[in-house]
Amino acid sequence: GEDVEQSLFLSVREGDSSVINCTYTDSSSTYLYWYKQEPGAGLQLLTYIFSNMDMKQDQRLTVLLNKKDKHLSLRIADTQTGDSAIYFCAESGADSWGKLQFGAGTQVVVTP
Amino acid sequence: NAGVTQTPKFQVLKTGQSMTLQCAQDMNHEYMSWYRQDPGMGLRLIHYSVGAGITDQGEVPNGYNVSRSTTEDFPLRLLSAAPSQTSVYFCASSYSVTSGGSYNEQFFGPGTRLTVL
Repeated sequence: GEDVEQSLFLSVREGDSSVINCTYTDSSSTYLYWYKQEPGAGLQLLTYIFSNMDMKQDQRLTVLLNKKDKHLSLRIADTQTGDSAIYFCAESGADSWGKLQFGAGTQVVVTP
Repeated sequence: NAGVTQTPKFQVLKTGQSMTLQCAQDMNHEYMSWYRQDPGMGLRLIHYSVGAGITDQGEVPNGYNVSRSTTEDFPLRLLSAAPSQTSVYFCASSYSVTSGGSYNEQFFGPGTRLTVL
């Protein structure tokens, strides 16, 4: 089956950049997503990228996609304490209803 | 709009008990789904529905039942709770997408934390 893998933990100092990495195996993935989960809450869509793009920028967020290596990354510039959360990588393939396959999530801890 | 709501927020069951986790959405979304979240395993799809009257199994359906009699509601039933079902359960909904894959933002509820003793 499809697999989405992420590292489980990242510690970053406030003001630095964070980079969260993700790899996936499904070559038919059409969209890739980053979701954010704050403590005690559900997931919220942060950003997404279509598979024919290699970069997308949205304010402090930069998504890079290397389709050949099936590697996705999320860079958060000027990381703030409010960025402390779990970040999930997800992909949707050619399935007709866009079913998502999630990674295990990366816990990001921002230290002062 | 309230978005996706789930009740209860917390629940403790004894092994063998049954219960229903409620999920409702007021966005007129066609698609609804149930996930469980376990440490180190991300979210795994339990059951999903592409419209009222239509449901299908996800990755981990055993021990759970669903029904979708209305667009708004998608309850998840645990028939005979087991300790392995201790988890956080999330309901999500989304608009329909065209076949062949399309952008699909799923809107998540706040979750139900279930403990089975």
